[in-house]
Amino acid sequence: QKEVEQNSGPLSVPEGAIASLNCTYSDRVSQSFFWYRQYSGKSPELIMSIYSNGDKEDGRFTAQLNKASQYVSLLIRDSQPSDSATYLCAVNRSGGSYIPTFGRGTSLIVHP
Amino acid sequence: NAGVTQTPKFRILKIGQSMTLQCTQDMNHNYMYWYRQDPGMGLKLIYYSVGAGITDKGEVPNGYNVSRSTTEDFPLRLELAAPSQTSVYFCASNLFNEKLFFGSGTQLSVL
Repeated sequence: QKEVEQNSGPLSVPEGAIASLNCTYSDRVSQSFFWYRQYSGKSPELIMSIYSNGDKEDGRFTAQLNKASQYVSLLIRDSQPSDSATYLCAVNRSGGSYIPTFGRGTSLIVHP
Repeated sequence: NAGVTQTPKFRILKIGQSMTLQCTQDMNHNYMYWYRQDPGMGLKLIYYSVGAGITDKGEVPNGYNVSRSTTEDFPLRLELAAPSQTSVYFCASNLFNEKLFFGSGTQLSVL
C-alpha cells in the first residue's frame, strides 16, 4: 500500500460546481496534512494546511481531515477555469523528522 | 527575499556525464529536500537534510549524492547520468512541520 494515495483523475467539473479531491494515507500517526496546487510546468504552491480533525475553510477552499479513517479531502466551491491544475496531497510522516510524502496528484479540469 | 533559488532551469546531459544541481534558500530553514517528478506522477523524495552537516536518503536516492555544508545550500550531485534520471527536479525547504517552499525546478534530460 502506497503511503499517500490519490485518484489521478482527471476530475472534470463545470464552472461554478464544487470539486471534491480526496487523499488517503497509511501512517496512522501522521500529524500534518497539506494540499498543494501545481500548474503545468510550474512549482507546487500551498493551498491549505490542516493539522486537526474537522474542517478548515479559506475562501473557496475547505480542507477536511478525518484521522480515524485516515483521509483528507479538499473541496473547491464555485470552481473556476483558473482552478484547473494538479492538486497534490502531502502528509508529514511521523518519527521525529516529519518529512513530507506526496501522493501522485489529482488532475482537475474546470470547463466553462 | 528570494526564497528558494534553484539552478539551472534546463539541462541536457549525455549518458555517463555528471552534474550538480544548485539550491540555495535565504529563509534560514533547517529542512531542505530534493524531489523528482516524472510525468503524471507526484513528487518522490531523493534526499533530505535536517540541518547543516546532516543528510539522509529518501525514497529514490540511487545515482545521487548530496551535501549540506551550510544552512543555505543543498546541492544535488548526479554521477554517471542515466536515461532513468530524466525528470523534473525540485528543491524545497521549510521549518519543522510547516509548509514547503519550492524552487522553480530543473528540467533534466539524459540522452
